[in-house]
Amino acid sequence: DVQMTQSPSSLSASVGDRVTITCRASHRISNNLNWYQHKPGKAPKVLIHAASSLQSGVSSRFSGSGSGTDFTLTISSLQPEDFATYYCQESYSLPFTFGPGTKVDIK
Amino acid sequence: QLQLQESGPGLVKPSETLSLTCTVSNDSIRRESYYWDWVRQPPGKGLEWIGSIYYTGSTFYNPSLKSRVTISIDTSKNQFSLKVNSVTAADTAVYYCARRVYGGDFFDYWGQGTLVTVSS
Repeated sequence: DVQMTQSPSSLSASVGDRVTITCRASHRISNNLNWYQHKPGKAPKVLIHAASSLQSGVSSRFSGSGSGTDFTLTISSLQPEDFATYYCQESYSLPFTFGPGTKVDIK
Repeated sequence: QLQLQESGPGLVKPSETLSLTCTVSNDSIRRESYYWDWVRQPPGKGLEWIGSIYYTGSTFYNPSLKSRVTISIDTSKNQFSLKVNSVTAADTAVYYCARRVYGGDFFDYWGQGTLVTVSS
């Protein structure tokens, strides 16, 4: 199985801040990496697929980059609705695995 | 807009079988471009992929659960289902059904999730 790690596990930020979350895979996974936003009691929402492709309907303040083992999710200007937990997920091989999550809360 | 809705008991006794159904609305479960998956999240923990099914009935399971899990599909009802046998407290989780895009292998639609507690 591909093991996924994320850093930081949590962060506090203010509205308007630029936020960067990192995801690392235990094996090289090319660009087979997806990012999700998850709010309590809600369904997770895909933001980025294939490492850098913005999902239809998702704000352009979200962007993704990386390939191989190291990936980044960037929120260019944090908005109130962005406070949530963010997960990466590898889609390179079964069983699909998720990172442990990064919780973004209000400073 | 596609909708997925999980249904089933919220409380299951240890050693019994957890059974959930996901009803898909506003699109056909027979679409060739998608798989239908189950993902769970134990309290305070991260997301775990359980397994998936294609409309033809082909299944894929997480080896960590494979011996206890069965996923089935009923295309006439536009539903797919999950069974987990011999449950323990470790199976307590919010269970999500989701649609996975063929090829990209990302989950583009999710249900709201349903909490299943394993307790006597």
